[in-house]
Amino acid sequence: AQSVTQPDIHITVSEGASLELRCNYSYGATPYLFWYVQSPGQGLQLLLKYFSGDTLVQGIKGFEAEFKRSQSSFNLRKPSVHWSDAAEYFCAVGVRAAGNKLTFGGGTRVLVKP
Amino acid sequence: KAGVTQTPRYLIKTRGQQVTLSCSPISGHRSVSWYQQTPGQGLQFLFEYFSETQRNKGNFPGRFSGRQFSNSRSEMNVSTLELGDSALYLCASSIERPTDTQYFGPGTRLTVL
Repeated sequence: AQSVTQPDIHITVSEGASLELRCNYSYGATPYLFWYVQSPGQGLQLLLKYFSGDTLVQGIKGFEAEFKRSQSSFNLRKPSVHWSDAAEYFCAVGVRAAGNKLTFGGGTRVLVKP
Repeated sequence: KAGVTQTPRYLIKTRGQQVTLSCSPISGHRSVSWYQQTPGQGLQFLFEYFSETQRNKGNFPGRFSGRQFSNSRSEMNVSTLELGDSALYLCASSIERPTDTQYFGPGTRLTVL
């Protein structure tokens, strides 16, 4: 069955430290890959997306992600975290045949220590 | 450009009632998708509408339905509410294709008592 896994439910990181959020997917076809962020009481905001081409993708707010086909992974990274990055992060996958349907991972909640 | 708007933002209903939620997409966007977000099940796809036609449907019972109007505004309806329907309902709009960015609204928080 198609699935998206975010192994880490919670991550605590110190302000200024680097951050890496893991995402693994299981899909038969080549998927479209997305990372979204959700602040408390808010909707989802797109950080970045990958469809094809360069496997290292740059997004907003200083985030980047790398697609690794051999590992079925699309991990999100940020070199230096700011207190405002505290939020919940969702990896999502879509496939051409499913139109705009996205399948989301369970999310990773990021806490930032001062 | 105005973002995706959802009304109402908060709603309290009792079991057995029905509810209608509304989503106004970004101007020029023709696709509207609906998602249910709960602590236990996470974000789950309900359905997608494009040009007034349902283009995709998730694994939800028939109590969940939707429609889209000619101006791309969409409504979703839940009949015979159950306690488990308590959730944040999010809608997302995009221009058309899966490669177009989907923009999410702030959601409607539905509480079923």
